[in-house]
Amino acid sequence: DAGVTQSPTHLIKTRGQQVTLRCSPKSGHDTVSWYQQALGQGPQFIFQYYEEEERQRGNFPDRFSGHQFPNYSSELNVNALLLGDSALYLCASSNRQGTYEQYFGPGTRLTVT
Amino acid sequence: AQSVTQPDIHITVSEGASLELRCNYSYGATPYLFWYVQSPGQGLQLLLKYFSGDTLVQGIKGFEAEFKRSQSSFNLRKPSVHWSDAAEYFCAVAITGGGNKLTFGTGTQLKVEL
Repeated sequence: DAGVTQSPTHLIKTRGQQVTLRCSPKSGHDTVSWYQQALGQGPQFIFQYYEEEERQRGNFPDRFSGHQFPNYSSELNVNALLLGDSALYLCASSNRQGTYEQYFGPGTRLTVT
Repeated sequence: AQSVTQPDIHITVSEGASLELRCNYSYGATPYLFWYVQSPGQGLQLLLKYFSGDTLVQGIKGFEAEFKRSQSSFNLRKPSVHWSDAAEYFCAVAITGGGNKLTFGTGTQLKVEL
């Protein structure tokens, strides 16, 4: 049973560019959440997708957007990258009808130069 | 809004010694409570969770945690630490009826001395 997978593993971008990160949820899960983890900090909730719609959003600007596909996989897009966007981006999946447990992927390390 | 405090940024223990990592939360009702572990460069692995019922919960890798409503705490414990337990530990909460958005503490970095 494959767990949560994310791609790419690492990414280096320049300020002002745009980036897309991808996530495939654990088998049987229908809900995907994205978190940003800055160095030395705990993860911060960005948003959550269920039934291809954004259901909850954290305190992040509109530069951060996402999408969920019919197969439950998801993308996180960040426009107009800032140096402060450098972080580990974590995807977590869960089952909407189940418990509140979330399973995390290994993350994508984004470096903005 | 709910918040989570992990007062200890770094903790060092000797292998074989007992461990307690502290976690306090701020929320008007009883939230769902979690402990996650993160090894360097890795994602988060769920150690244990509390939803309701018995306030002492058992998790993986020999960890346990106790929910104390009166103290708004959910401290993580292990009777005997192994060198492989060195990692960063995060406490997290999810509010009931608020979807399963997690709010994390800032983490405690555990170092194990051999």
